[in-house]
Amino acid sequence: SQKIEQNSEALNIQEGKTATLTCNYTNYSPAYLQWYRQDPGRGPVFLLLIRENEKEKRKERLKVTFDTTLKQSLFHITASQPADSATYLCAQGDSSNTGKLIFGQGTTLQVKP
Amino acid sequence: SAVISQKPSRDICQRGTSLTIQCQVDSQVTMMFWYRQQPGQSLTLIATANQGSEATYESGFVIDKFPISRPNLTFSTLTVSNMSPEDSSIYLCSVMTGTGEQPQHFGDGTRLSIL
Repeated sequence: SQKIEQNSEALNIQEGKTATLTCNYTNYSPAYLQWYRQDPGRGPVFLLLIRENEKEKRKERLKVTFDTTLKQSLFHITASQPADSATYLCAQGDSSNTGKLIFGQGTTLQVKP
Repeated sequence: SAVISQKPSRDICQRGTSLTIQCQVDSQVTMMFWYRQQPGQSLTLIATANQGSEATYESGFVIDKFPISRPNLTFSTLTVSNMSPEDSSIYLCSVMTGTGEQPQHFGDGTRLSIL
């Protein structure tokens, strides 16, 4: 079955540094990956989508990469701020391509001032 | 993007009872999904709510336990039936316009505790 894994340990970094979160997938090569942000008590919020034929995608301070050889996506937040503190979820499209998503367990990022 | 309202936002229920969760969207959407998020865990898809027909359930979830309705393109309900403490979780509704690789938009969830 499709499986997607994120580092379950919390990531603590200093304000102004670049945060890098990892997402690994196995058993299936997704056509795309999506990244979401989830704050406590809130639903996930969509951030970025990257397709398998795209090496890199950027949006303001966010950057996502997709390495089909390593079966890995990296999510970067540059010049991190305390407001970036949240849980970040990686999701892959289901093989049925109906829009269903399989989520990783998320990585909690804490940016300290 | 679509605005999703879920009701109730939280509830505490007695075991053996049932609770219906509502999901209302401010615009017509193609797809509606129901997820469960257990404490400290990621999201697990329960089912896809199909307009005018029976929902499509994922492995491990059955209609008798989680009946779902979707009478139109902006509204869906999820019922958690005959609840036990193991059903304590956050239940989230999400929507998608179009199909395939479109992003999903989520409600803020219903936090359910079973005593």
